[in-house]
Amino acid sequence: QVQLQQWGAGLLKPSETLSLTCAVYGGSLSGHYWSWIRQPPGKGLEWLGEINESGSANYNPSLQSRVTMSVDTSKKEVSLKVTSVTAADTATYYCARITYELAAGHFDIWGQGTLVTVSS
Amino acid sequence: EIVLTQSPGTLSLSPGERATLSCRASESVYSSYLAWYQQKPGQAPRLLIYGASTRATGIPDRFSGSGSGTDFTLTISRLEPEDFAVYYCQQYGNSPLFSFGPGTKVDMK
Repeated sequence: QVQLQQWGAGLLKPSETLSLTCAVYGGSLSGHYWSWIRQPPGKGLEWLGEINESGSANYNPSLQSRVTMSVDTSKKEVSLKVTSVTAADTATYYCARITYELAAGHFDIWGQGTLVTVSS
Repeated sequence: EIVLTQSPGTLSLSPGERATLSCRASESVYSSYLAWYQQKPGQAPRLLIYGASTRATGIPDRFSGSGSGTDFTLTISRLEPEDFAVYYCQQYGNSPLFSFGPGTKVDMK
């Protein structure tokens, strides 16, 4: 059974860089894309981007200039960096596995979430 | 950019009742490109339905999805106590590649 375990700094100051990592247990990176999704407190879900085992990534245009995703296949880990954070980046960040079926993608396995707070 | 709208914002029902949740897209969406998720407080979302009508692994058959074009529906035939949660629809395929609706909260009357 595939599980995602994520971690990273939970408290940042404005202008710092958010850095999170998600490890894949019980399965392979192969054959899937891996995504980051965030949720501000009390609000809805926002997709940040996706990456596959080859490092091919697609980002949400609204954040593309500040977001970078990477993959370490030897450790079965995917990572997220968001630069120049502000209070608007305060959210719970989730990693999730994307499965493409019927020519479309959906998020079938999720990490536990990491609350990141940006405050001076 | 396709915008997803969900209605109602909140649905107040009792256990055993039928819940009908709507997701409307600003432009036509291929049926296979629509999914539904359930989120309980303090938890990550859980995939319920993909391809508009296919139940994910382990999802009870009281959950069903339907619709096409711009109008999609998630139906819970008989609410169980564990079904009170927030439900999100999600579309794939337009910029951004993935987007979610604002959610419908199903709470206990």
